[in-house]
Amino acid sequence: GAVVSQHPSRVICKSGTSVKIECRSLDFQATTMFWYRQFPKQSLMLMATSNEGSKATYEQGVEKDKFLINHASLTLSTLTVTSAHPEDSSFYICSAHHPGSGDNEQFFGPGTRLTVL
Amino acid sequence: DAKTTQPTSMDCAEGRAANLPCNHSTISGNEYVYWYRQIHSQGPQYIIHGLKNNETNEMASLIITEDRKSSTLILPHATLRDTAVYYCIVRVASNDYKLSFGAGTTVTVRA
Repeated sequence: GAVVSQHPSRVICKSGTSVKIECRSLDFQATTMFWYRQFPKQSLMLMATSNEGSKATYEQGVEKDKFLINHASLTLSTLTVTSAHPEDSSFYICSAHHPGSGDNEQFFGPGTRLTVL
Repeated sequence: DAKTTQPTSMDCAEGRAANLPCNHSTISGNEYVYWYRQIHSQGPQYIIHGLKNNETNEMASLIITEDRKSSTLILPHATLRDTAVYYCIVRVASNDYKLSFGAGTTVTVRA
């Protein structure tokens, strides 16, 4: 089946630094990927849609200058949390749309847990 | 996309069938019902989806009422590994492919 990976799985950083999270579709090409954020005991919240070769589309209330998204190839999207602060600590999850998958359209990565000290 | 309502939590016994309800009374004719689950600290996993006919795969069965205002996900023989948050999502199979996750149902399978 289609596999999506994320790297790193966990990251701890100091306040004010930037952190890059990678999302890769390992065995298929994904023109569209999505980034979600999940706080403890809450549901997933869609942050942005990442489109290969074009600018990402951000959901209302998500700062595009703080959460930089780059989708430079059909198998890789990156999310950079710039000038991270403790309130950015969260579980970040990506998903990739697989147009030829039949029943399932989206495959999710395992998530990246970000802790900002 | 139409809103869904699910119970906050439910327990079920290992080896028994788990029936998870979902209300989607404002569903439109072109909206599908999707089910995903999320095991603790992992990414969501697709389970099943349907439009109006009942569906079955190796993981579960999906029963959609005739008026399509509600549905039930059935895990035929629950195991401890089925403990997870289950999300019922209604959306149009359109070009944006977005998924809006609600609160879901926390299912705990007990030995």
